Amino acid sequence: GAVVSQHPSRVICKSGTSVKIECRSLDFQATTMFWYRQFPKQSLMLMATSNEGSKATYEQGVEKDKFLINHASLTLSTLTVTSAHPEDSSFYICSARDSGSPPGELFFGEGSRLTVL
Amino acid sequence: GQNIDQPTEMTATEGAIVQINCTYQTSGFNGLFWYQQHAGEAPTFLSYNVLDGLEEKGRFSSFLSRSKGYSYLLLKELQMKDSASYLCAVRDRGGATNKLIFGTGTLLAVQP
Repeated sequence: GAVVSQHPSRVICKSGTSVKIECRSLDFQATTMFWYRQFPKQSLMLMATSNEGSKATYEQGVEKDKFLINHASLTLSTLTVTSAHPEDSSFYICSARDSGSPPGELFFGEGSRLTVL
Repeated sequence: GQNIDQPTEMTATEGAIVQINCTYQTSGFNGLFWYQQHAGEAPTFLSYNVLDGLEEKGRFSSFLSRSKGYSYLLLKELQMKDSASYLCAVRDRGGATNKLIFGTGTLLAVQP
């Protein structure tokens, strides 16, 4: 199956700093990528849809100025958590759809665990 | 609004069969997915249903009834490694991106 890679897998930062998470589709092109957030023992919450070459579409309640998404190429989307605070500590997962795979199947990155001190 | 419900936790015995139910109410529907997620890892795809009926794939089967807004995942011959969270997700037809909306997830514990 298609491969999606996320980096970094773990990051610890101080409150007030910004953190960038990269999501790459390694063997296919993804015009659309999705960013999810998952708190402990909870399910995945869709944050935003990242569209190559255009602005991201954010879900209700997600601050677009805090969670900056850039999808500059067909294989790379980045999520930047700006001015991070402890409540932003979470597991962030990206996913992408490969048009050659079964309809709608999403491939997930390994996830990035953010801890804000 | 969007609402996808699953039991929070289930326990089953190694070698047995377990059924995990999912009910959904969404503004649009363009397929239902089941994913498996081990703690601290990303979800992995298990099955996909877009038409009513049963889809079988080895030890795993998934059923869909669109009129009832209902699906279940059936796991046979349970193994200890099947202990994980099982996520039901609906693809929303709304908009151009057909995004996936996930349910709350069911944490399955398989006991010896």
